Amino acid sequence: DTEVTQTPKHLVMGMTNKKSLKCEQHMGHRAMYWYKQKAKKPPELMFVYSYEKLSINESVPSRFSPECPNSSLLNLHLHALQPEDSALYLCASRGSDRHPYGYTFGSGTRLTVV
Amino acid sequence: LAKTTQPISMDSYEGQEVNITCSHNNIATNDYITWYQQFPSQGPRFIIQGYKTKVTNEVASLFIPADRKSSTLSLPRVSLSDTAVYYCLVGDQLEAGANNLFFGTGTRLTVIP
Repeated sequence: DTEVTQTPKHLVMGMTNKKSLKCEQHMGHRAMYWYKQKAKKPPELMFVYSYEKLSINESVPSRFSPECPNSSLLNLHLHALQPEDSALYLCASRGSDRHPYGYTFGSGTRLTVV
Repeated sequence: LAKTTQPISMDSYEGQEVNITCSHNNIATNDYITWYQQFPSQGPRFIIQGYKTKVTNEVASLFIPADRKSSTLSLPRVSLSDTAVYYCLVGDQLEAGANNLFFGTGTRLTVIP
């Protein structure tokens, strides 16, 4: 298994909703990441988990709450989002024998906040 | 931080070789150079990675001069399906704080029939 799987692929939520994005990898990677990407912009780093511990939080608002239940799973809990939070949310993992410094990205969750 | 600079956009005709250059003047001794390709509404995909000189795989070549302050991604005989954004990242270790966690602006390549 050489993939990062993200669910759901699309999500529409209201500003008062609570939802979660999920990310899963079975490559044994010990670093996992959340990125946010707006249209025609590069991915922006949100959170980094290293060995299941949060190691980087790039000043992300508290309405985004990451969680790493185990080495294969990464969640992003969403609450009271704003329309400007609409974006493509990408999960990535890193570290492999073939590409020791390369990321493997999921296909992303397209989030729309209404 | 090893900030990267790339051209914002490039156009090329089908069948031509395309070279995209990335500048990284502050590259550190332990830094590797990695290139990614991204199609709309998809996650970036790893293309190639190198440390110095030349690296070639089944899809691209990466040229890195001796001073390592720049690198060039070479795509041979591009097709319409190579239309995408290409990102150059420079960085070192896996642990938190590695500067290759941050994407530059990328180069939007458009292949013309």
